[in-house]
Amino acid sequence: QKEVEQNSGPLSVPEGAIASLNCTYSDRGSQSFFWYRQYSGKSPELIMSIYSNGDKEDGRFTAQLNKASQYVSLLIRDSQPSDSATYLCAAISGAGSYQLTFGKGTKLSVIP
Amino acid sequence: GAVVSQHPSWVICKSGTSVKIECRSLDFQATTMFWYRQFPKQSLMLMATSNEGSKATYEQGVEKDKFLINHASLTLSTLTVTSAHPEDSSFYICSLPRPGKHGYTFGSGTRLTVV
Repeated sequence: QKEVEQNSGPLSVPEGAIASLNCTYSDRGSQSFFWYRQYSGKSPELIMSIYSNGDKEDGRFTAQLNKASQYVSLLIRDSQPSDSATYLCAAISGAGSYQLTFGKGTKLSVIP
Repeated sequence: GAVVSQHPSWVICKSGTSVKIECRSLDFQATTMFWYRQFPKQSLMLMATSNEGSKATYEQGVEKDKFLINHASLTLSTLTVTSAHPEDSSFYICSLPRPGKHGYTFGSGTRLTVV
């Protein structure tokens, strides 16, 4: 059973702080990892994708991948109230697979 | 990137009736589309993979006779919830691969309420 695990939260951070979201995955063959943001009642939207060990930065967002530890994280710098949402971690397994497996999501609240 | 149109956005139906949800790819031809279901405070669960011109592939535990999927063209996949019951009330979302990239683009979702 391929699983993606996330702390459900809620995670509360003050406006302007760094929000740190974590995710672990069970399938060592997973190659591609994604962070989606989902506002209440809406469908997910892609925030970041990462495929190689290390950090990937895009604006206020930084994704980190450690395949040895089977760990993915998302850092949000200068958090804004508009960042308040549920963040879903997702993974695609090894070669030949194209199905996304989602974690249950971490609810983030940014307090003004 | 891929643009996906999903209709309706929300629907309320009586128990025992059927509901059809449409998912359209507006800017490229999609041979594969995915249908997800999300219950409140739960994650997205893959229901089935829709394949153009062939039968859909259903995940374990998903009744293929209850959730009918038709992918008759490269731009349209439909999910029909047959003989809907209150326990089928959920948020149904389609998605399709993003051309030339990994990850998927999601439709706007359909909130189904069966009363």
